[in-house]
Amino acid sequence: QVTLKESGPTLVKPTQTLTLTCTFSGFSLSTTGVGVGWIRQPPGKVLEWLAVIYWNDNKFYTPSLKSRLTITKDTSENQVVLRMTNMDPVDTATYYCGYQKALRANWFDLWGQGTLVTVSS
Amino acid sequence: DIQMTQSPSSVSASVGDRVTINCRASQGISSWLAWYQQKPGKVPKLLISAASSLQSGVPSRFSGSGSGTDFTLTISSLQPEDFATYYCQQANSFPLTFGGGTQVEIK
Repeated sequence: QVTLKESGPTLVKPTQTLTLTCTFSGFSLSTTGVGVGWIRQPPGKVLEWLAVIYWNDNKFYTPSLKSRLTITKDTSENQVVLRMTNMDPVDTATYYCGYQKALRANWFDLWGQGTLVTVSS
Repeated sequence: DIQMTQSPSSVSASVGDRVTINCRASQGISSWLAWYQQKPGKVPKLLISAASSLQSGVPSRFSGSGSGTDFTLTISSLQPEDFATYYCQQANSFPLTFGGGTQVEIK
């Protein structure tokens, strides 16, 4: 059974760096084709893809946030970490991690429960 | 970037109605399209991948069609549990992009 769970701070101050961890089970990020990505959703708004990392350590970022994002994986710990620098109140959102189970199939087969991050001083 | 445009943005329908949601890509994406359902306060759930492949456990009243730039999600007979927001997502190229969502409301 595949599960994912996001963890990290619920409140960050403007200009701070956000670090979120996605801890997963039921699959391995060393399996060919597998990826884990991050998607966010501001309150009452639409979904926005942020980044994804694959089994071969290939990484892709949304261009508008690329300079602020870093995605890494720890295969042995079954974790993916997203760092976002220089947080702003507009970054207030629920952040989800998602699982991609097959090569070239760049949709998210399963999502974590999400974690609400509020950016406020 | 590939822009995904959904229409309508909301639809009001009754139980038993047939509901159609459209998604248009700004450039061809073959069949690299997914549909998600999100209920209020809940996590998005993958319904359909590769434009028309129904995920395991998803009721057969849901179907997807289309290729290239124009896609459709159809609910053949709306059930109470189907009231939600539906999103399309193109999976053809990076950056991955979502449509603006279609809210299916009770009439």
